Amino acid sequence: GDSVTQMEGPVTLSEEAFLTINCTYTATGYPSLFWYVQYPGEGLQLLLKATKADDKGSNKGFEATYRKETTSFHLEKGSVQVSDSAVYFCALTQSNSGYALNFGKGTSLLVTP
Amino acid sequence: DAMVIQNPRYQVTQFGKPVTLSCSQTLNHNVMYWYQQKSSQAPKLLFHYYDKDFNNEADTPDNFQSRRPNTSFCFLDIRSPGLGDAAMYLCAIGEGDRPGVASRPQHFGDGTRLSIL
Repeated sequence: GDSVTQMEGPVTLSEEAFLTINCTYTATGYPSLFWYVQYPGEGLQLLLKATKADDKGSNKGFEATYRKETTSFHLEKGSVQVSDSAVYFCALTQSNSGYALNFGKGTSLLVTP
Repeated sequence: DAMVIQNPRYQVTQFGKPVTLSCSQTLNHNVMYWYQQKSSQAPKLLFHYYDKDFNNEADTPDNFQSRRPNTSFCFLDIRSPGLGDAAMYLCAIGEGDRPGVASRPQHFGDGTRLSIL
């Protein structure tokens, strides 16, 4: 079945450091890929998405590119802020057979001043 | 303004005492989902409604039921909560062009954190 694998956390960075959170997937067909962010005590917020190969999703300085050849969707940000501290979930959904989000286990990010 | 509203934010119930969590939406999306998220884990889909059609995940315990009286509201009923049901329950909405297909990403509420005494 479909699955998403994220790098293990927690990840601790200093403010203004470069961020990469790796995400790879296994899926048949042509999934859509998402990054969701969850701040402490809150629900999930959609951060960015990509629906086909080579698409780049971007939002709030975060970017991720849908790489079909490497089945990856790594999240990057050039300069993190303390306010970016949260848990980040990579997820996929199948446009032709799925309706649920299939999440990775989440990566906790802590940014220190 | 919030698109998905979950009440209450925090719910405490006793072991075995039925509890109902509620979710409402302001966008009239035709799909509503319930996820369970245990501490430090990814959300796990319990079931979803496509319009009035109920779709249960194969591994969702019978203890969990859901109702959707109209487009805007959806309820999660836990008939006899056990200690293992303590979790954050997330409601999400989405749009589907046909049953089983989600055409747009889901929007989540802030969740209800359920504690079992």
